[in-house]
Amino acid sequence: AQKVTQAQTEISVVEKEDVTLDCVYETRDTTYYLFWYKQPPSGELVFLIRRNSFDEQNEISGRYSWNFQKSTSSFNFTITASQVVDSAVYFCALSALLSNFGNEKLTFGTGTRLTIIP
Amino acid sequence: DSGVTQTPKHLITATGQRVTLRCSPRSGDLSVYWYQQSLDQGLQFLIQYYNGEERAKGNILERFSAQQFPDLHSELNLSSLELGDSALYFCASSARGFNGNTIYFGEGSWLTVV
Repeated sequence: AQKVTQAQTEISVVEKEDVTLDCVYETRDTTYYLFWYKQPPSGELVFLIRRNSFDEQNEISGRYSWNFQKSTSSFNFTITASQVVDSAVYFCALSALLSNFGNEKLTFGTGTRLTIIP
Repeated sequence: DSGVTQTPKHLITATGQRVTLRCSPRSGDLSVYWYQQSLDQGLQFLIQYYNGEERAKGNILERFSAQQFPDLHSELNLSSLELGDSALYFCASSARGFNGNTIYFGEGSWLTVV
């Protein structure tokens, strides 16, 4: 069974501080994909990043960076110099292969609500 | 804008009623997924269609059904609605259905059952 754990339910930081959102996953698959999605107050789910299990290189996109460590089954997300617009709920998700056809579903964590205080 | 379009955005209906949620996937995407987000259950996978055929089922109630039409748009039908069905329903799409294709979500349909 697939499982994603986001132990941090809520985080509040002052604007311009750095913040790291933790994600720990469980899977027996050797091939899998990890995702981060952002859900702002308006409700939509916005795709941020996809990472496959064979690529452990860290990735940076502007103020966002991701640290993938297979040894600890973690895929953490860091926002540098946070801004008020970063306030949202962030979800980590794991992609599972459902059948030989390769169909997938996303298993989501429970999300971390991030509040950036001006 | 993800390119996935969902209608209606908001819907209020009474218990026992039936509603239909509609989804247009991103241009070229063959796979459509439905997810439910509720306060107590979080984000739950309901069902997946690929090029018109049902491919996978998750935690979808028997009162719920879905289909994907030849033009690839999809509908989620919710019947005999209960208060507990109040949730945000997401449609998502991906290019195919395998190999970790990114799954893009629509803005969701807020359903309130009163």
